Amino acid sequence: DQQVKQNSPSLSVQEGRISILNCDYTNSMFDYFLWYKKYPAEGPTFLISISSIKDKNEDGRFTVFLNKSAKHLSLHIVPSQPGDSAVYFCAASARAGNMLTFGGGTRLMVKP
Amino acid sequence: EADIYQTPRYLVIGTGKKITLECSQTMGHDKMYWYQQDPGMELHLIHYSYGVNSTEKGDLSSESTVSRIRTEHFPLTLESARPSHTSQYLCASSGFRERAYGYTFGSGTRLTVV
Repeated sequence: DQQVKQNSPSLSVQEGRISILNCDYTNSMFDYFLWYKKYPAEGPTFLISISSIKDKNEDGRFTVFLNKSAKHLSLHIVPSQPGDSAVYFCAASARAGNMLTFGGGTRLMVKP
Repeated sequence: EADIYQTPRYLVIGTGKKITLECSQTMGHDKMYWYQQDPGMELHLIHYSYGVNSTEKGDLSSESTVSRIRTEHFPLTLESARPSHTSQYLCASSGFRERAYGYTFGSGTRLTVV
């Protein structure tokens, strides 16, 4: 049973527009959420995280929103750039010392 | 500047060969992980370690083995490579800041078994 799901395998966006990547989770014990970005032939790199005590965290062009009641989080990229084209993974953890649970990834393509 | 190193980056090897994928980190992290990623994108945990002399199998059954004799070193070995082992292998580590920053991943090893 997948506890973290990214239901959209791919997303295509025009350069300059907003990219919205979604992630749903089922485990109500998750209290920390992270987003990673991965280019082909490279390892994932950390983008942004959010604690369950917040509903929004912003870092430059990247904003993560958390809706605990819906068990849903989203990553907004504004404005989108061609260099943002990559696979994005959301991840969640339940408590200190617990392992991350990853979603299946969403491939973002930003067209010039 | 990478803090976790994987070698080789790319490897093409014949069926039946023994291979070892190297992973080293300079951050002093106790926890280390091996993930396998197929073209379908999903990351599959195959091994993890919470410290020296501690190793556990992950969610995905794997014919590989790992060892953790030193904190900084977590190699993965395939005794007899097969075409089904063709994949990208990612090593990661985490430390006391893992809650906010998660894992630090290496650049990966792209393995092709012919």
